[in-house]
Amino acid sequence: GAVVSQHPSWVICKSGTSVKIECRSLDFQATTMFWYRQFPKQSLMLMATSNEGSKATYEQGVEKDKFLINHASLTLSTLTVTSAHPEDSSFYICSARDKEDRVGSDSPLHFGNGTRLTVT
Amino acid sequence: DAKTTQPNSMESNEEEPVHLPCNHSTISGTDYIHWYRQLPSQGPEYVIHGLTSNVNNRMASLAIAEDRKSSTLILHRATLRDAAVYYCILRDPYSGNTPLVFGKGTRLSVIA
Repeated sequence: GAVVSQHPSWVICKSGTSVKIECRSLDFQATTMFWYRQFPKQSLMLMATSNEGSKATYEQGVEKDKFLINHASLTLSTLTVTSAHPEDSSFYICSARDKEDRVGSDSPLHFGNGTRLTVT
Repeated sequence: DAKTTQPNSMESNEEEPVHLPCNHSTISGTDYIHWYRQLPSQGPEYVIHGLTSNVNNRMASLAIAEDRKSSTLILHRATLRDAAVYYCILRDPYSGNTPLVFGKGTRLSVIA
């Protein structure tokens, strides 16, 4: 089945530094990737939608200058948390849609295994 | 996407069947009913989805009410590895390149 790989699976960084998280579709091409954030005991919250070759669309309340998203190829999207602070500590999850999926096909979304970010 | 309502938590004994309910009274005619689950410290994984007819796969069965206002995910024999949060999500495949919107889901505990 389709696999989405996220790297790293966990990272600890100091306050004020930046962290980059990679999301790769391993056996399919993804024109669209979605980034979610999940705090403990809460559900997944959509942060942004990333389209290959264009600017990401951010959800309300998500700072685009703080969470930089780059989707430079059909198999890779990156999320960079800039100037991280302890309140950015969370579980970040990406998901991807196969570019072969057509409107109306309703194929499942494929999810990465998440990246746990801890900012000290 | 239309809203779904699920119980916050459920408990099951190992090797017993589990029926996880989901209400979606405002479902539209083109909404598919999707179920995903999230094991601890992992990303969500697809379980099953359907439109009108009941569906079976190697992981579970999905029973959809005739009026489509509710559905039930059935795990035929719960194992300890099935302990997870189960999310029932509606998605209209004609709505374009939209993400899945997650509610709070049902936290399933499995007792040995």
